[in-house]
Amino acid sequence: DAGVIQSPRHEVTEMGQEVTLRCKPISGHNSLFWYRQTMMRGLELLIYFNNNVPIDDSGMPEDRFSAKMPNASFSTLKIQPSEPRDSAVYFCASSRDRGVGNQPQHFGDGTRLSIL
Amino acid sequence: TQLLEQSPQFLSIQEGENLTVYCNSSSVFSSLQWYRQEPGEGPVLLVTVVTGGEVKKLKRLTFQFGDARKDSSLHITAAQPGDTGLYLCAGRGGGSEKLVFGKGTKLTVNP
Repeated sequence: DAGVIQSPRHEVTEMGQEVTLRCKPISGHNSLFWYRQTMMRGLELLIYFNNNVPIDDSGMPEDRFSAKMPNASFSTLKIQPSEPRDSAVYFCASSRDRGVGNQPQHFGDGTRLSIL
Repeated sequence: TQLLEQSPQFLSIQEGENLTVYCNSSSVFSSLQWYRQEPGEGPVLLVTVVTGGEVKKLKRLTFQFGDARKDSSLHITAAQPGDTGLYLCAGRGGGSEKLVFGKGTKLTVNP
């Protein structure tokens, strides 16, 4: 079975540019999570969706960040305008929510973002 | 805000040694998971513990959930170079799917 697929794997761009990260969750999973990982702050949850609806976006750092999930098989995380402090590895994860809260989250291999 | 503190942050040992890493919080979690992450990859689930005092074994790895469900430990017996990686604990509160992650313990096992 295909795992969570993220693209691109690496992105290098200049500050001020728009950045779009993409994620395809595992088929049949109904929860999707976006995380950011840095050495200083570790793995932080930015936003998560359940059945394509945003449930908790309290981790989104500011209005420059936005996320969408137009259907069950695709999600995007957009940064506009990007800043050097946004440089990090961004992970997407999905899980099958059965209402008991103990399901494993399956992570993609991440997008390494560098803002110059 | 629920926080998970992991210790030690870094650990470098020789093959064959035993080790324990810790995950502590002042908050109660309904369940706790341990993940392992290798460079260039996403975290992969090792185990989920749910009941206070629960002990689970996965080959040479032993996981324990504290009685009060505020802390957990991971013990590795006779570590091998293949155990090298970043070990992350993650806790859930209530019935939410939301996970709070610790910053991890970076383990290096030298041959």
